Amino acid sequence: NAGVTQTPKFRVLKTGQSMTLLCAQDMNHEYMYWYRQDPGMGLRLIHYSVGEGTTAKGEVPDGYNVSRLKKQNFLLGLESAAPSQTSVYFCASSPSGGRFYEQYFGPGTRLTVT
Amino acid sequence: GNSVTQMEGPVTLSEEAFLTINCTYTATGYPSLFWYVQYPGEGLQLLLKATKADDKGSNKGFEATYRKETTSFHLEKGSVQVSDSAVYFCAHLGGTGGYNKLIFGAGTRLAVHP
Repeated sequence: NAGVTQTPKFRVLKTGQSMTLLCAQDMNHEYMYWYRQDPGMGLRLIHYSVGEGTTAKGEVPDGYNVSRLKKQNFLLGLESAAPSQTSVYFCASSPSGGRFYEQYFGPGTRLTVT
Repeated sequence: GNSVTQMEGPVTLSEEAFLTINCTYTATGYPSLFWYVQYPGEGLQLLLKATKADDKGSNKGFEATYRKETTSFHLEKGSVQVSDSAVYFCAHLGGTGGYNKLIFGAGTRLAVHP
């Protein structure tokens, strides 16, 4: 099993450009998450999904959109990138119900916005 | 509000030294507590957990005890190895609006030298 994979691993954008980060999991997990990790701060939840076709806002959703058209995929979109979105982005998935804290993380995408 | 505070790193140790990484939390009630580990170039992995006061979580030689009196969940290992070099994140369950989420600390980097 590949677990959780993320594409791309690195990306540099100019301010105002758009891009989509792709997350895929092969564990048949119901829940999926997008986090960002910034120096000196813990992971912060951007958006999450509790099942195919559903999405919800996390702590820091502004400037991002997400879609979960297929159970195994969770896409994170930046419509107009800003330097404040320079960060490392992690996708995660987990079982539903009481074990949702057993989150499996992808290797991350390092995004730089200039 | 809910938060997790970890000791600042990096923590640098020689192989076979004793490790302690401090973690304290602020939360309503007595949430489940977790330690996640991030090895270089990888995503986070659940290392251990404790779901109620006085519980001890353990895995791979690491231990942490849920201390409700001091709202702490310090990570310890008796004899570290070079392969333990990683970033360690303390986390607890929190959230409102019917959804539980993981609240992470900023992470503590551990470097173990031969």
